[in-house]
Amino acid sequence: DGGITQSPKYLFRKEGQNVTLSCEQNLNHDAMYWYRQDPGQGLRLIYYSQIVNDFQKGDIAEGYSVSREKKESFPLTVTSAQKNPTAFYLCASHLDRGNTGELFFGEGSRLTVL
Amino acid sequence: QKEVEQDPGPLSVPEGAIVSLNCTYSNSAFQYFMWYRQYSRKGPELLMYTYSSGNKEDGRFTAQVDKSSKYISLFIRDSQPSDSATYLCAMVEETSGSRLTFGEGTQLTVNP
Repeated sequence: DGGITQSPKYLFRKEGQNVTLSCEQNLNHDAMYWYRQDPGQGLRLIYYSQIVNDFQKGDIAEGYSVSREKKESFPLTVTSAQKNPTAFYLCASHLDRGNTGELFFGEGSRLTVL
Repeated sequence: QKEVEQDPGPLSVPEGAIVSLNCTYSNSAFQYFMWYRQYSRKGPELLMYTYSSGNKEDGRFTAQVDKSSKYISLFIRDSQPSDSATYLCAMVEETSGSRLTFGEGTQLTVNP
């Protein structure tokens, strides 16, 4: 089955620790995205990547970092510099050839900072 | 001011009701309009996708776009308890690829 796999589903972290969220897709999609979802704020774009070894900041990139070493993988690191990291994080992908706007999402990772 | 405004609800209706969900936007460069459905603790999934002004129907769902008023709607006919979810409008400029701008999402509950 093709899709996007995010792990872990739930994660707890102490203040001051970095944490990495995994996102893997087997859809052969070119573009991948990381969104953050908070109550009352919809989805906000953190980082996106349209090709391997290249990525761009979204609207709320501060305190986050990403890499895109393989087409299938786009991990997100939430660093200790992120002031309010508790949120639901969503990874998405897009074929980037036609069908503008049709994103495929993973099931999300819920991060809680204790 | 947010580029996309969506009433967050929550909205609670009886089974069989007609549901109307709405978004307004300020960026006239938005050309593609989408509705995503998100069940609790899951990722969003694309429900409807429209480009031009007018109506697009898919089963019990109708997406409506009015570019002159910068207003989009999603209508759900004969609503079912399985329609209970958060509905997110999203839109994108033609030159932005798939860098979407999302509304806040409206939480809908359909009561049996």
